[in-house]
Amino acid sequence: QKEVEQNSGPLSVPEGAIASLNCTYSDRGSQSFFWYRQYSGKSPELIMFIYSNGDKEDGRFTAQLNKASQYVSLLIRDSQPSDSATYLCAVRGISGGYNKLIFGAGTRLAVHP
Amino acid sequence: DADVTQTPRNRITKTGKRIMLECSQTKGHDRMYWYRQDPGLGLRLIYYSFDVKDINKGEISDGYSVSRQAQAKFSLSLESAIPNQTALYFCATSALRGTDTQYFGPGTRLTVL
Repeated sequence: QKEVEQNSGPLSVPEGAIASLNCTYSDRGSQSFFWYRQYSGKSPELIMFIYSNGDKEDGRFTAQLNKASQYVSLLIRDSQPSDSATYLCAVRGISGGYNKLIFGAGTRLAVHP
Repeated sequence: DADVTQTPRNRITKTGKRIMLECSQTKGHDRMYWYRQDPGLGLRLIYYSFDVKDINKGEISDGYSVSRQAQAKFSLSLESAIPNQTALYFCATSALRGTDTQYFGPGTRLTVL
């Protein structure tokens, strides 16, 4: 089992809809969770992060953590074509050393007009 | 000006050649990382450094070496390049304190023929 797993997609949603991206992780001791957005050929850029103690909302983006089931979600409201990108989930856990982020392979999101 | 820069941005080389990729940052971060990204595999950690005197292997360090010349500079070398090292390489940095979020450079696309 991979440490961080994401469905590769593509996840196709119409403009204006809610896009829901999920990520599962294997390390139950994971402390913090990050979502990065990566446009084709570009570097990952941070969208948001959450700690193990709660969810977070930032504009159109909401990150939610389900510790019992070991998954983290990213919701994008009012999806726009400019949101079309690959979304990388990263998890920092206590196993494998401090501050080593483990990345999922990413989910490709396609928002169509 | 970009906070994390990488040179070169693109490089084509031949099998057996020695290659150096360079990373510089003006963010004042202590921690620096080298990743490679391959389609479908996500980001994989090659080496990381928590300060100038601290170098650590990541999950795929074989065939690579690094040098932390200063707090702001971290170089990755391929001693004898091979075709399966063809990939997109990213440098990242993070601060010792705070959220420990990693910030990525623009990437180097390396092709080994």
